[in-house]
Amino acid sequence: DIQMTQSPSSLSASVGDRVTITCQASHDISNYLNWYQQKPGKAPKLLISDASNLETGVPSRFSGSGSGTDFAFTISSLQPEDVATYYCQHYDNLPYTFGQGTKLQIK
Amino acid sequence: QVQLVESGGGVVQPGKSLRLSCEASGFTFSTYPMHWVRQAPSKGLEWVAVTSYGGTYKQHADSVKGRFTISRDRSRNTLYLQMNSLRVEDTAVYYCARQTKAFDIWGQGTMVTVSS
Repeated sequence: DIQMTQSPSSLSASVGDRVTITCQASHDISNYLNWYQQKPGKAPKLLISDASNLETGVPSRFSGSGSGTDFAFTISSLQPEDVATYYCQHYDNLPYTFGQGTKLQIK
Repeated sequence: QVQLVESGGGVVQPGKSLRLSCEASGFTFSTYPMHWVRQAPSKGLEWVAVTSYGGTYKQHADSVKGRFTISRDRSRNTLYLQMNSLRVEDTAVYYCARQTKAFDIWGQGTMVTVSS
């Protein structure tokens, strides 16, 4: 199985800050990498697919990059509504494992 | 609109069974692979099972293999998860999700609590 190592596990930043979360795959997964946002008590929401493809309706302050084994998720200017837990997930082959999540809070 | 609605969760004793349902609407259910994903309290997301759009291909996570079975009914636009021999560690919110490249549509989740 492919393991996804996400860091950091938690992060506190100020409104307007640039925030970056990383995700490393244990094997080459090309660009088969998704990013989700989960707010408390809610289902996850897809933000980015194929490592860098922003879903329709998702604000442009969110972006993704990377390929192979190393990936990054960036919020260019943190907003209060971005408080959530963020997960990476590969879909190279089954099982489609998730990273352990990054809990993002506002300072 | 496009949506998935889960049902069937509840409190059950260890060793018992439960069947979860996920009713799809607003899209052609039979043309998408469908998944179950679970989340234990205050934990991360764990992929559980997948079925192909036709229902012929199925795969389950090692943690549930031999105990859980995913299935789908095209005529009812419904995805199922039959859970047998439940364990305390199966306690979680269970989500169904539609797959395109990613899991683009999720249900609201249904809580399963396994406790004596």
